[in-house]
Amino acid sequence: QVHLVQSGAEVKKPGASVKVSCKASGYTFPSFGISWVRQAPGQGLEWMGWVAPYNANTNYAQNLQGRVTMTTDTSTNTAYMELGSLRSDDTAVYYCARWDSSGSDYWGQGTLVTVSS
Amino acid sequence: AIQMTQSPSSLSASVGDRVTITCRASQGIRNDLGWYQQKPGKAPKLLIYAASTLQSGVPSRFRGSGSGTDFTLTISSLQPEDFATYYCLQDYNYPFTFGPGTKVDIK
Repeated sequence: QVHLVQSGAEVKKPGASVKVSCKASGYTFPSFGISWVRQAPGQGLEWMGWVAPYNANTNYAQNLQGRVTMTTDTSTNTAYMELGSLRSDDTAVYYCARWDSSGSDYWGQGTLVTVSS
Repeated sequence: AIQMTQSPSSLSASVGDRVTITCRASQGIRNDLGWYQQKPGKAPKLLIYAASTLQSGVPSRFRGSGSGTDFTLTISSLQPEDFATYYCLQDYNYPFTFGPGTKVDIK
């Protein structure tokens, strides 16, 4: 069965970077994209971007351009989301999800990133 | 970027009620819309894709409709496990965008 397992919670200072991993299993990793979605405390869902493991193509939300990088390692079936120049309003739960034209059908458990001085 | 709105932002309903949630896009998105359910502390769950196609395993009481700019999610008979927040997501073009969500709670 399909599983996406994310790395653990992080606490970062403003201005630092964070890298969240998402290890996939149970399917052919290059055949599906990986999308990243975040949710600030008490807020709605925010689509951050998408990466295609088979060719490393990416698309990012406009408000994160220049600060976010999404990559994959097909040798370990792992996707990564790195966010730099962290601010307090980046405090959120970050989710990865398998993506294809039908939508995001499998999700990771979420990773809490707290940005605090 | 395409803006998505949802109405209502919240609603109170009883078990057995018929519930309708509306999602509107700022421009036409064909039928490139999905509906997600999220319960507190949990990851979202895909309910419907391509505006009206039920994801495998999702109960048939969930129904999606619409195309272009106006879309609807209908729950025909609300069940206790349906109390949650519902989001629409346009995947017509990048950047994809979620609606602000509709919280369905117990009346």
